[in-house]
Amino acid sequence: QSALTQPPSASGSPGQSVTISCTGTSSSVGGYNYVSWYQQHPGKAPKLLIYEVSKRPSGVPDRFSGSKSGNTASLTVSGLQAEDEADYYCSSDADSSNWVFGGGTKVTVL
Amino acid sequence: QVQLQQSGPGLVKPSQTLSLTCDISGDSVSSYDAAWNWFRQSPSRGLEWLGRTYYRSRWGNDYAGSVRSRIIITPDSSKNQFSLHLNSVTPEDTAVYYCARAAHRAFDIWGQGTMVTVSS
Repeated sequence: QSALTQPPSASGSPGQSVTISCTGTSSSVGGYNYVSWYQQHPGKAPKLLIYEVSKRPSGVPDRFSGSKSGNTASLTVSGLQAEDEADYYCSSDADSSNWVFGGGTKVTVL
Repeated sequence: QVQLQQSGPGLVKPSQTLSLTCDISGDSVSSYDAAWNWFRQSPSRGLEWLGRTYYRSRWGNDYAGSVRSRIIITPDSSKNQFSLHLNSVTPEDTAVYYCARAAHRAFDIWGQGTMVTVSS
């Protein structure tokens, strides 16, 4: 059982938006502004999409955006494209110099 | 361009030690701005952070509670690499293992992954 809770699946048609939630506690998501999001295609390593809640690394399209409210962080993918079909994971800094992950959300582009 | 290249055996016998190495190019294991991490991923455990090593005037380590009694992560500045050693492995340790760099408190560069099976 993962420390952060994500919905197992989400879907949308091309061009639509999908939002994935990531719920932790005050010892993780709620207590730190170090939430990050990763995209993982089958057989590949995770790829960083969002860091520090809402910042995008160079090269990540602005279709990907992040936010946080209380103990819940969210990733929104706008203008869905076929290549966005993948697994998405959230991560947060946590107490005791720990890092925790969500169980992952499989995004399907209909 | 920072790259991480993993190496190590794909098969380990139960009760033995799992050892993997991550070679760094384009950055330094001694960088003050980075930490060097190990993860694993399996269907049963999901994506799991195992621990990290970092240099801030002296070497430091942090480890996940789930493996703290069995894990050591060691840096080698002469070879610009870091290694994972997980002892007393069981079939539950079967997973894909990844190394990754942490910068800005996120994991921005990942190794290619190594499938490790624990079996006799």
